Amino acid sequence: SAVISQKPSRDICQRGTSLTIQCQVDSQVTMMFWYRQQPGQSLTLIATANQGSEATYESGFVIDKFPISRPNLTFSTLTVSNMSPEDSSIYLCSVVGREQFFGPGTRLTVL
Amino acid sequence: KNEVEQSPQNLTAQEGEFITINCSYSVGISALHWLQQHPGGGIVSLFMLSSGKKKHGRLIATINIQEKHSSLHITASHPRDSAVYICASEGGSNYKLTFGKGTLLTVNP
Repeated sequence: SAVISQKPSRDICQRGTSLTIQCQVDSQVTMMFWYRQQPGQSLTLIATANQGSEATYESGFVIDKFPISRPNLTFSTLTVSNMSPEDSSIYLCSVVGREQFFGPGTRLTVL
Repeated sequence: KNEVEQSPQNLTAQEGEFITINCSYSVGISALHWLQQHPGGGIVSLFMLSSGKKKHGRLIATINIQEKHSSLHITASHPRDSAVYICASEGGSNYKLTFGKGTLLTVNP
């Protein structure tokens, strides 16, 4: 199994600022994803983080708002830019090994 | 487009009761996942299945491919089972998941 850590675990941010969330895996993985879970909603895939190249974004998500880095096979960051209260969500990274593993999540509140 | 529906949305049980949560999906899939989400938000993968039945401790997951339906059962439920249970379908070879909205389970002592 893969052990995933995320930082920060939670944060409260002001409108208009940006927050970078880190995802660290204890083993090399090929597939890494970033998800968002808005209050009362199901998880939605933001993008696939590709090692060494630009992330692949799902419909409705753009790189300017959610820039993603993946410098190696064990680490990725997701930045939530120019935040508004609508960005208040839980953000999770997940990786694919023999099965899918999920990080503990980052609970973001934007005031 | 695949739609994943779960029922019930909320479920309250007494300790020791047998629990069933249902999940249906609209298109063919390569696998069906059952996940558990605790109040802090972190998600644990419980099962991934593409046919038949899997059992882990007091948890049992079944899937019927023809009917596009899966169930998660909890035997002898316990308050520590209280969580949100989410089913998610995986289609194709890209590992992307489509999630249901989850079932909030509360088990009272």
